[in-house]
Amino acid sequence: NAGVMQNPRHLVRRRGQEARLRCSPMKGHSHVYWYRQLPEEGLKFMVYLQKENIIDESGMPKERFSAEFPKEGPSILRIQQVVRGDSAAYFCASSSMEQANSYEQYFGPGTRLTVT
Amino acid sequence: AQSVTQLGSHVSVSEGALVLLRCNYSSSVPPYLFWYVQYPNQGLQLLLKYTSAATLVKGINGFEAEFKKSETSFHLTKPSAHMSDAAEYFCAVSGAGGFKTIFGAGTRLFVKA
Repeated sequence: NAGVMQNPRHLVRRRGQEARLRCSPMKGHSHVYWYRQLPEEGLKFMVYLQKENIIDESGMPKERFSAEFPKEGPSILRIQQVVRGDSAAYFCASSSMEQANSYEQYFGPGTRLTVT
Repeated sequence: AQSVTQLGSHVSVSEGALVLLRCNYSSSVPPYLFWYVQYPNQGLQLLLKYTSAATLVKGINGFEAEFKKSETSFHLTKPSAHMSDAAEYFCAVSGAGGFKTIFGAGTRLFVKA
């Protein structure tokens, strides 16, 4: 049973470009969470999605950031017009409905975004 | 509202010595508490979790944590450190609704030979 998959593992973008980060949850999981980790800091919640629905996006910056989790395919975190401050590790986690009720999440290996 | 404070951004112990990583939480509701470990360039791995059952929680790799409501603490311990325990450890709290998990800033554990 494969774990949570994220790709790419490393992404380099120039300022002003778009970054697309992908997350495939564990098999059978319908809940996806995105977190951002800045250097020397803990993880900060960004958004929580279920299939085709954004449940909680209270941690998402108001501009340039968006997330989706379509009926088919991976969840996508999209950052438009990236700036140097967006450089961070972005982690995806997933859970089943039962696990979500006890706040249990399984994390992917992360995508490390570098903006030059 | 919920928050987590991890005391000490860096902890250094000798191999074979006791490991103690401190975590204090704040929560307006009964909390779910977690410890995660992160190895370099990897994701987070769940070590253990407290969900209002036994106050002493045993996890993987010989780690355990004790929930103390009166002290609002959930410290992580291991009797004897191993070199492979060197990593970053995160305490986290959930339960205030919205399926959101709040993470502490992390404690980096160094193990000396």
